[in-house]
Amino acid sequence: EAGVAQSPRYKIIEKRQSVAFWCNPISGHATLYWYQQILGQGPKLLIQFQNNGVVDDSQLPKDRFSAERLKGVDSTLKIQPAKLEDSAVYLCASSSGRTIGEQYFGPGTRLTVT
Amino acid sequence: ILNVEQSPQSLHVQEGDSTNFTCSFPSSNFYALHWYRWETAKSPEALFVMTLNGDEKKKGRISATLNTKEGYSYLYIKGSQPEDSATYLCAFGAAGNKLTFGGGTRVLVKP
Repeated sequence: EAGVAQSPRYKIIEKRQSVAFWCNPISGHATLYWYQQILGQGPKLLIQFQNNGVVDDSQLPKDRFSAERLKGVDSTLKIQPAKLEDSAVYLCASSSGRTIGEQYFGPGTRLTVT
Repeated sequence: ILNVEQSPQSLHVQEGDSTNFTCSFPSSNFYALHWYRWETAKSPEALFVMTLNGDEKKKGRISATLNTKEGYSYLYIKGSQPEDSATYLCAFGAAGNKLTFGGGTRVLVKP
């Protein structure tokens, strides 16, 4: 089965610019997650979707970050405007819910804000 | 806020040597403890999901143990090889299929 796909793999932007990331989860996985991983830290959950509904977005900086999963399949995460501290790897993961908490990750998008 | 700690943050291992490192987590409201291996430029790969106190899991030269009463898990690598170089992440699994990750242990195996 195909894994979680993410694009782009790398992105360099200037501060105050906008950027969007795309994720296509494993087919049939109802739950989709976006994580932010800052260098030297573990991945931090930004938002969790169940189908096309938001389950948890408590750690999403909503003044600049937004995410959607309109048809309950693929998802986009947007940052507008970007700040220097947004430089990180953005990981997308999906889960079928059949095994306790098991999540499958994409390769991530490495964002550099200059 | 859940506190999941991993130590050490990084370690260098000579090829052929064995090593181990620690993940500590809250001992209450435990659902599962996950270990992932994350190689540079690749996707984090699930190694183990552990749910019961005393669980021991093994995959090739890598094994893990779990103590939910005291809130820690060890990951062991036996006879380290260069291909074992990666960041090893543990994650505390909570209700609602949520994972809280530790900061990772970065392992570099030197030939």
